[in-house]
Amino acid sequence: DGGITQSPKYLFRKEGQNVTLSCEQNLNHDAMYWYRQDPGQGLRLIYYSQIVNDFQKGDIAEGYSVSREKKESFPLTVTSAQKNPTAFYLCASGRWDRLNYGYTFGSGTRLTVV
Amino acid sequence: AQTVTQSQPEMSVQEAETVTLSCTYDTSESDYYLFWYKQPPSRQMILVIRQEAYKQQNATENRFSVNFQKAAKSFSLKISDSQLGDAAMYFCAYRSPGAGSYQLTFGKGTKLSVIP
Repeated sequence: DGGITQSPKYLFRKEGQNVTLSCEQNLNHDAMYWYRQDPGQGLRLIYYSQIVNDFQKGDIAEGYSVSREKKESFPLTVTSAQKNPTAFYLCASGRWDRLNYGYTFGSGTRLTVV
Repeated sequence: AQTVTQSQPEMSVQEAETVTLSCTYDTSESDYYLFWYKQPPSRQMILVIRQEAYKQQNATENRFSVNFQKAAKSFSLKISDSQLGDAAMYFCAYRSPGAGSYQLTFGKGTKLSVIP
């Protein structure tokens, strides 16, 4: 079955460390997205990519970086510059034809700073 | 920038009753897409229903229906015959139509509790 796989499910980071969250999809979707979810804040867009080797900053990109070397993969790195990284991170891919449109989400990664 | 507002942080409904979740949005576009997503305790985001703004007919999916009021920029979700499995966070989302503008803007969510 097609879908999006995020790993790991839980991740612990020490102060000053960079960590990378994985997101892989086999839906053949061109567009991929990273969102951050905090209690009472909804989902906020970190980065998105519409094609391979291209990506754009979202509303809260500071302290994060991404790459899109393959259509199937869109990893997110949380750098030490991100001052408050503890949150739930959701990856999504998008299909936007008239007959079938919307996001498919991964199951998320819970990142905790220890 | 578009904004999406869900004015009810929490709501509750008796099992088998009907509940309506509110959503308003701000846009200057005439054609766009609107969505409701459900996030149960597992935190998996699930698409509930979607609507294209150019369609005047309100979307329905089984027990879920929307009341789309374009002039008022309102997109409420009605859940009929509420079930215990409907307990979740519900997020309203907007997408503008322009090329390259594929990202969704989400509201802050409404937490729905279902009382047995």
